Amino acid sequence: DIQMTQSPASLSASLEEIVTITCKASQGIDDYLSWYQQKPGKSPQLLIYDATSLADGVPSRFSGSRSGTQYSLKISRPQVDDSGIYYCLQSYSTPPTFGAGTKLELK
Amino acid sequence: EVKLVESGGGLVQPGRSLKLSCAASGFSFNDYWMGWVRQAPGKGLEWIGEINQDSSTINYTPSLKDKFTISRDNAQNTLYLQMSKLGSEDTAIYYCARAGWSFAYWGQGTLVTVSS
Repeated sequence: DIQMTQSPASLSASLEEIVTITCKASQGIDDYLSWYQQKPGKSPQLLIYDATSLADGVPSRFSGSRSGTQYSLKISRPQVDDSGIYYCLQSYSTPPTFGAGTKLELK
Repeated sequence: EVKLVESGGGLVQPGRSLKLSCAASGFSFNDYWMGWVRQAPGKGLEWIGEINQDSSTINYTPSLKDKFTISRDNAQNTLYLQMSKLGSEDTAIYYCARAGWSFAYWGQGTLVTVSS
């Protein structure tokens, strides 16, 4: 199975910061990488697919990028509503595997 | 509007079986792969498996392959997850999702609690 190492596990950020969450794949995944946001008591919501494409209705302050086998989710000037847990998912090979999650708190 | 609604969760004794359903609407169900993902209390997301449009290909995460069975009824726009030999480690919220290279649509989830 492909391992997705997600970091950090948690972070607290201010509304003026740029937040970056990373996922490093244990092997190449050809940009079959998506990002999800999950709020307490809710199902995950797709933010980014194919590593860099913004899902419908997602604010443009969210963006995705890749450097080698490391994928990043960036939130520019986050809003209080962006608090939650973020997960990456690789779907390059079966079984698809999620990162362990990053809990984001906005202060 | 795409809608996925899971049902069938609840309290079940260890060793017993349970079948979950996911009713789909708002899209052409028989055009899409469908999948199941679960989340244990306070834990991360775990992919369970997926099924293609005509049920000819079904993939599972290896650790669950002998316990869980995914099926679908395209006439009823419904996805199923049959779970057997349940243990406490199977206590989780179970989500169905429209599968593919990413999961664009998720249900609200159904809670399965395995306890005596």
